[in-house]
Amino acid sequence: NAGVTQTPKFRILKIGQSMTLQCTQDMNHNYMYWYRQDPGMGLKLIYYSVGAGITDKGEVPNGYNVSRSTTEDFPLRLELAAPSQTSVYFCASRGQGYGYTFGSGTRLTVV
Amino acid sequence: QKEVEQDPGPLSVPEGAIVSLNCTYSNSAFQYFMWYRQYSRKGPELLMYTYSSGNKEDGRFTAQVDKSSKYISLFIRDSQPSDSATYLCAMSANTGNQFYFGTGTSLTVIP
Repeated sequence: NAGVTQTPKFRILKIGQSMTLQCTQDMNHNYMYWYRQDPGMGLKLIYYSVGAGITDKGEVPNGYNVSRSTTEDFPLRLELAAPSQTSVYFCASRGQGYGYTFGSGTRLTVV
Repeated sequence: QKEVEQDPGPLSVPEGAIVSLNCTYSNSAFQYFMWYRQYSRKGPELLMYTYSSGNKEDGRFTAQVDKSSKYISLFIRDSQPSDSATYLCAMSANTGNQFYFGTGTSLTVIP
């Protein structure tokens, strides 16, 4: 099993550009999440989904959008990138158990 | 007040030492508690989870929850250099709800 796969691993964006961070899981998990991790700030929830077609905002949704058209995929869209969005982004999924399975992350720098 | 507080460290111990990692929280409704280990430039991986109060042991790792004090701990016995990582606590009131993460404690085990 691949688990949770995130692409790309690294990206540099210019201010005002847009991009989509891809996330795919092959565990048939209903719950999927996007977090950002900043130094000393822990993991902050951006958006989450409890199943295909259902998404909701987390703590820090501004500047981001998501969609969940299939169980497997949960892409995160950044519109009009800003330096404040420089961070490491983690996608995670969860089945009926407690634990999250995280992807390996996307390191994004906005310059 | 933050939902979850965790001392960021860094913590440095000699190989073979007993390590104690701790988190405090403010929401008395939290009853699901997890510990994650995150190696540098990797996604967090689930180490242990507990429900409500009490202890749980898994090999060299022991998780403790004291709900009366709103305090959880992770103990690592016979620490190894391979335990060098950042340890994050996470907790929630309900498995269907958002899990709140601590900022992580950086641990280095010196051979």
